[in-house]
Amino acid sequence: SAVISQKPSRDICQRGTSLTIQCQVDSQVTMMFWYRQQPGQSLTLIATANQGSEATYESGFVIDKFPISRPNLTFSTLTVSNMSPEDSSIYLCSVDGTGNYGYTFGSGTRLTVV
Amino acid sequence: AQSVTQLDSQVPVFEEAPVELRCNYSSSVSVYLFWYVQYPNQGLQLLLKYLSGSTLVKGINGFEAEFNKSQTSFHLRKPSVHISDTAEYFCAVSDGITGANNLFFGTGTRLTVIP
Repeated sequence: SAVISQKPSRDICQRGTSLTIQCQVDSQVTMMFWYRQQPGQSLTLIATANQGSEATYESGFVIDKFPISRPNLTFSTLTVSNMSPEDSSIYLCSVDGTGNYGYTFGSGTRLTVV
Repeated sequence: AQSVTQLDSQVPVFEEAPVELRCNYSSSVSVYLFWYVQYPNQGLQLLLKYLSGSTLVKGINGFEAEFNKSQTSFHLRKPSVHISDTAEYFCAVSDGITGANNLFFGTGTRLTVIP
């Protein structure tokens, strides 16, 4: 299965600032997925990122708040913009490296906004 | 729309005892079902998945799950747990008809194995 390197692993940020999270995959994948896991809650899909096209956002998430880049088939970034304490969560990226629903997840970025 | 319900938020169990973590799903179409484990401060790891075929699915670390279409359930079981099984477990569903690639997760069950 694919191996994902995600960074930073954690950060503490001031409100109003932005943080960019990076995910590097050890193989080429068509789609990359970004999830949010709020404290004590489950994972919620933010968006799906395809290389060479705009990301597709789920209901409740917008590009201005969570811009995504997908410059090639092994890399993607998610930016959390103009942060507020409500953005404090774990953010994870995911890919299906097998093409058979073998989803792999990064180790996550634990974000705290103060 | 798809949704997943994990009926137990916390399950304490003694070491070497059996455990069952419950998962029910709601979907109007055929589904793919998954169980993931999240160890403290780590990402999610796939335990097992059901795509088609045999309804009894065996996964890693001695876990298995049974797909029951009539009861819309996909409960996770292990006959004898170890201390190292202490973790958060998530059930997830994906659309099996259109092949939609995003997962809908349950709220998780925290399994605590007591020595």
